Amino acid sequence: NAGVTQTPKFRVLKTGQSMTLLCAQDMNHEYMYWYRQDPGMGLRLIHYSVGEGTTAKGEVPDGYNVSRLKKQNFLLGLESAAPSQTSVYFCASNKYRDSSYEQYFGPGTRLTVT
Amino acid sequence: AQSVTQLGSHVSVSEGALVLLRCNYSSSVPPYLFWYVQYPNQGLQLLLKYTSAATLVKGINGFEAEFKKSETSFHLTKPSAHMSDAAEYFCAVSDRTSNTGKLIFGQGTTLQVKP
Repeated sequence: NAGVTQTPKFRVLKTGQSMTLLCAQDMNHEYMYWYRQDPGMGLRLIHYSVGEGTTAKGEVPDGYNVSRLKKQNFLLGLESAAPSQTSVYFCASNKYRDSSYEQYFGPGTRLTVT
Repeated sequence: AQSVTQLGSHVSVSEGALVLLRCNYSSSVPPYLFWYVQYPNQGLQLLLKYTSAATLVKGINGFEAEFKKSETSFHLTKPSAHMSDAAEYFCAVSDRTSNTGKLIFGQGTTLQVKP
């Protein structure tokens, strides 16, 4: 199993450009999450999904959209990038509908917006 | 609302010394508690978790943590630090009354191990 993979690994955008980050998992997990990591702030939840076709807002959803058309994929979109969205983005998945289970993380995407 | 506080953004220890990374939580109901480790340029990996079985939890790489309800703490310890332990460590909580699995993370603590 590849686990959780993220595409791309690095990206540089200009202000106002758009892009989509792809997260894929091959573990048949129900739940998927997008986080951003900024220095001194830990990881903050952007959006999450509890199943195919469903999405919900997390702690910092503004400026982002998501879609989960297939169970194994969770896409994060930036429609009009801003310098404040410069961050490292992590995708994670969770197998069970139970908050006691661990999340499995991807390797991250480092995004710079100039 | 739940929150997590990690005391000390940077901790430096000598190789062979005790490692103690502090985590305190705020929650009306004792949550599930996790410690994750992040090595440079990698994703997060679970070290250990507390889900209301034994209050002393053992994890990978010789780490352990003790849940203390009276102190609302879940500090991470390792008796003897190794150079390979240098990484960033995150404490996180999850609401046991919710089935969304959402995690709330602390700010992180960078562990430096000196030779």
